[in-house]
Amino acid sequence: SQTIHQWPATLVQPVGSPLSLECTVEGTSNPNLYWYRQAAGRGLQLLFYSVGIGQISSEVPQNLSASRPQDRQFILSSKKLLLSDSGFYLCAWSSEFGNEQFFGPGTRLTVL
Amino acid sequence: AQSVTQPDIHITVSEGASLELRCNYSYGATPYLFWYVQSPGQGLQLLLKYFSGDTLVQGIKGFEAEFKRSQSSFNLRKPSVHWSDAAEYFCAVAASGGSYIPTFGRGTSLIVHP
Repeated sequence: SQTIHQWPATLVQPVGSPLSLECTVEGTSNPNLYWYRQAAGRGLQLLFYSVGIGQISSEVPQNLSASRPQDRQFILSSKKLLLSDSGFYLCAWSSEFGNEQFFGPGTRLTVL
Repeated sequence: AQSVTQPDIHITVSEGASLELRCNYSYGATPYLFWYVQSPGQGLQLLLKYFSGDTLVQGIKGFEAEFKRSQSSFNLRKPSVHWSDAAEYFCAVAASGGSYIPTFGRGTSLIVHP
């Protein structure tokens, strides 16, 4: 069966520090991968999605970037965090031709 | 582009009472529709989905939803709510052709009183 992992589960970082959040998927090949940010009362905001290695689409211009170095690995990064980057970050995957998404457990990021 | 509206930010029900969470969508053709549930501090779990066929869809945990094309709605229902159903519920819509990326509603927070 397929599983999706995210780490770390929680992170507290100072303003201006770098960020790296990792997401990995097991049990499937060629998944579509997604990064979402969730703020209270705002639902899910799609940040990035990827349909293959090295292929990244950005939905919202911001302080963040994403990379997909391997088929089942998706990384969210920042060179310098802002206070506004605080939130709950969710990674999700879907099959290559599917639209049903499966979500990871999330990472709670607090920028101080 | 598709859009989703969940008109209720919070819903409070008593344990054992029936539940209906509203979802309205905007899309030019028959959409793909989803309901997800999120417990505090957790990821989202798919409750049910509609792609085609029978407009009444059964899901996990005793939930069901009905697709009503004439009303552009996909409301989620449960006949008897349990305290463990307290969570955030998200409706999502995806285009049946083209991009598969779903658009999520803002969510409805369900509070269950004993």
